Amino acid sequence: NAGVTQTPKFRVLKTGQSMTLLCAQDMNHEYMYWYRQDPGMGLRLIHYSVGEGTTAKGEVPDGYNVSRLKKQNFLLGLESAAPSQTSVYFCASSALGGLNTGELFFGEGSRLTVL
Amino acid sequence: AQSVTQPDIHITVSEGASLELRCNYSYGATPYLFWYVQSPGQGLQLLLKYFSGDTLVQGIKGFEAEFKRSQSSFNLRKPSVHWSDAAEYFCAVVPMNYGGSQGNLIFGKGTKLSVKP
Repeated sequence: NAGVTQTPKFRVLKTGQSMTLLCAQDMNHEYMYWYRQDPGMGLRLIHYSVGEGTTAKGEVPDGYNVSRLKKQNFLLGLESAAPSQTSVYFCASSALGGLNTGELFFGEGSRLTVL
Repeated sequence: AQSVTQPDIHITVSEGASLELRCNYSYGATPYLFWYVQSPGQGLQLLLKYFSGDTLVQGIKGFEAEFKRSQSSFNLRKPSVHWSDAAEYFCAVVPMNYGGSQGNLIFGKGTKLSVKP
């Protein structure tokens, strides 16, 4: 039962480098999300997608880009990493249907350090 | 401003003791309410949710939560805590007047639970 899989799980970058985090879900969910988690801040939504080919901004989108070319994958990109982007990143997915069921299924997180 | 508040950053309880984690929200209308749990090194897992109806909701792992409209609260409880309950707990809401897609949850900042033997 894979669920939501994130790769890589750990990454260290230098300021200015670029990278992409990959999220894959095998539950045929329509909705996918990228959150970042920082100590004492809870989870904050970066970007989300309501279906293949669509993306939208969340609460903290600056410095990130996303793409949803395939339904099962949601990519988060950092074009020019900054130390402020040091965080743990979580991908999540949820099924379409029902009104705001709120049940998100989360990956195990990707810890990113920007030096 | 709309917000979700978890007043306790860190709580320590003894194994077998009862537990109550507090959550307050400030929205004009009653939002949808949720509790998630995050074990160390893991993603979040849904414990329970409240949309409407009975104000006492049961969740997984023996947890329950009570919605109190007059207090704008949705506190999480467990009668007897087990060592495996040590984790971080997040209250979350979906505002009723939010026009976006489902799942645009707004999370509280979390309460870390430690369990003493």
